[in-house]
Amino acid sequence: NAGVMQNPRHLVRRRGQEARLRCSPMKGHSHVYWYRQLPEEGLKFMVYLQKENIIDESGMPKERFSAEFPKEGPSILRIQQVVRGDSAAYFCASSPPSGGTEQYFGPGTRLTVT
Amino acid sequence: GNSVTQMEGPVTLSEEAFLTINCTYTATGYPSLFWYVQYPGEGLQLLLKATKADDKGSNKGFEATYRKETTSFHLEKGSVQVSDSAVYFCALSDPHSGGSNYKLTFGKGTLLTVNP
Repeated sequence: NAGVMQNPRHLVRRRGQEARLRCSPMKGHSHVYWYRQLPEEGLKFMVYLQKENIIDESGMPKERFSAEFPKEGPSILRIQQVVRGDSAAYFCASSPPSGGTEQYFGPGTRLTVT
Repeated sequence: GNSVTQMEGPVTLSEEAFLTINCTYTATGYPSLFWYVQYPGEGLQLLLKATKADDKGSNKGFEATYRKETTSFHLEKGSVQVSDSAVYFCALSDPHSGGSNYKLTFGKGTLLTVNP
């Protein structure tokens, strides 16, 4: 019974490149949340998606960031033209179709922008 | 908006000492409250939760009671072990987010180190 999977675990990008972070939710889960953890900070909500729909993107920067959760395949968080300030750990969490308060977190992707 | 304030760390204790990590929150309505634990290099694991006032969440010797009157959810453990060394996050989910949206608001985290 696999948990939430994220890949890659570590990603290094040069300024101006694109970063693609993938999240496969737990089996049977159709709700995905993305959070960002900056150094010395707690996690900050970015976006909440259900299959093929963005429900709440109030925590996403308005530019360069986008997210999707297609009918088939993992959820993708895309960061275009990365800058040093994007360096952080990005965590994905999933919850079942019934919703509910409990979220299951993946191990995170640590993005370093050089 | 919603916010969570938790005790600043780091906290360093000897094995078998008593642990308290304070957490207070601001939210509209009646949020659910959580403690998550993050071990080095790993993601977050749910430690315990409480969904309404006066509920007590407990797991692995850790406890926290949802206190509406003081808007608090302090984490306690009677006797810590070296293996409890980790970062602990207090969090809330706001039922007013809408529909099935249970996005979490986190505190900044408290690093706990337990020495043998």
